[in-house]
Amino acid sequence: GIQVEQSPPDLILQEGANSTLRCNFSDSVNNLQWFHQNPWGQLINLFYIPSGTKQNGRLSATTVATERYSLLYISSSQTTDSGVYFCASRDLNGNNRLAFGKGNQVVVIP
Amino acid sequence: GAVVSQHPSRVICKSGTSVKIECRSLDFQATTMFWYRQFPKQSLMLMATSNEGSKATYEQGVEKDKFLINHASLTLSTLTVTSAHPEDSSFYICSAASGGGTGPQYFGPGTRLTVL
Repeated sequence: GIQVEQSPPDLILQEGANSTLRCNFSDSVNNLQWFHQNPWGQLINLFYIPSGTKQNGRLSATTVATERYSLLYISSSQTTDSGVYFCASRDLNGNNRLAFGKGNQVVVIP
Repeated sequence: GAVVSQHPSRVICKSGTSVKIECRSLDFQATTMFWYRQFPKQSLMLMATSNEGSKATYEQGVEKDKFLINHASLTLSTLTVTSAHPEDSSFYICSAASGGGTGPQYFGPGTRLTVL
């Protein structure tokens, strides 16, 4: 099945800083999603972005499907941005299952 | 839109008892629901995929008799952990998708199970 690599694994940011999180995929990207898992465990859908660029407030994401990667940009970070960010792609060889990365642990300090 | 609920959010039970977790899609019809398990500081591990009205497909290594999944309607799936043991303690998360499971998945808030 598809392998998903996220980087960096851990990130500490000063409030107000910008950051970029990256996902690399070992196979063709399909139905790519970005999630934010808050401290209570809830996974919040950030983007459904099989290709191209989308923006939602201070967050934006870009997927370059032909090069098998996706980026999540966080601008003007706030303490509420802390948590774990996951990317996931549908595994075309895996019965529609989503293949998750190990996550980016982000801590934003005031 | 695309809200998924889970109940209960937290459960503590004695070893040997069975626990049922409900997953509901509140504002859309979920043709496919997925059940995940997450250990502390780890990623999500898919346990099984269920399509409405048919038997669930379990991932390798997941005991189907231990983790009973029912997807009787387009808005409800249940996971029953039978004869729970301390090693079953974990965070269980469901997700739901429409379009035969090919669309984006929307996740429930999770259920934290502690087996004493």
